[in-house]
Amino acid sequence: DAMVIQNPRYQVTQFGKPVTLSCSQTLNHNVMYWYQQKSSQAPKLLFHYYDKDFNNEADTPDNFQSRRPNTSFCFLDIRSPGLGDAAMYLCATSIIDRTGEREQFFGPGTRLTVL
Amino acid sequence: AQSVTQLDSQVPVFEEAPVELRCNYSSSVSVYLFWYVQYPNQGLQLLLKYLSGSTLVKGINGFEAEFNKSQTSFHLRKPSVHISDTAEYFCAVSDGVGFNKFYFGSGTKLNVKP
Repeated sequence: DAMVIQNPRYQVTQFGKPVTLSCSQTLNHNVMYWYQQKSSQAPKLLFHYYDKDFNNEADTPDNFQSRRPNTSFCFLDIRSPGLGDAAMYLCATSIIDRTGEREQFFGPGTRLTVL
Repeated sequence: AQSVTQLDSQVPVFEEAPVELRCNYSSSVSVYLFWYVQYPNQGLQLLLKYLSGSTLVKGINGFEAEFNKSQTSFHLRKPSVHISDTAEYFCAVSDGVGFNKFYFGSGTKLNVKP
């Protein structure tokens, strides 16, 4: 089945130690998104890639970076995680084309714990 | 930018009772509307969507929603809930422009009691 995959599902890191979360998709979608979701809150968009074009949300901290080496994969890098970065990180994809489809497809998320 | 309001942060309901989760959005221009469900420690799963056409949309798990343009609302309903419907529900709106940015409501926790 076509899907969005996130690894690992649970990640523990230490304060200040860089961490990378990964996302892959078999949907061949041209847009990939990274969201941060804290407990009992809505997902908050960090950035997205539209094909190879990277777009930051205005309030995304510089501590968060992303890479998309090809259509299928996208990575979230947190350079120096703080306690406030502990959250669920969700990857999503979407196709922007003439069909007018607008659904975003979400992965299962990675739960990040910062010690 | 859009804003999305889910008026109820928590909705307790007994099993087999009907439920309505409310969602209002800010703009009356053309929008695309979605309801997602999130179970603990999982991602978001699409329940249903409105892109165009009939204003009554049927989704998975017996849920339906009605798009009301004049009231800028997209309320989610189910005539008879099950224990397994206990989850958090998010309403989302996209104006379909550019990269299809979603504007999420703050979520409604549905707690179905036996």
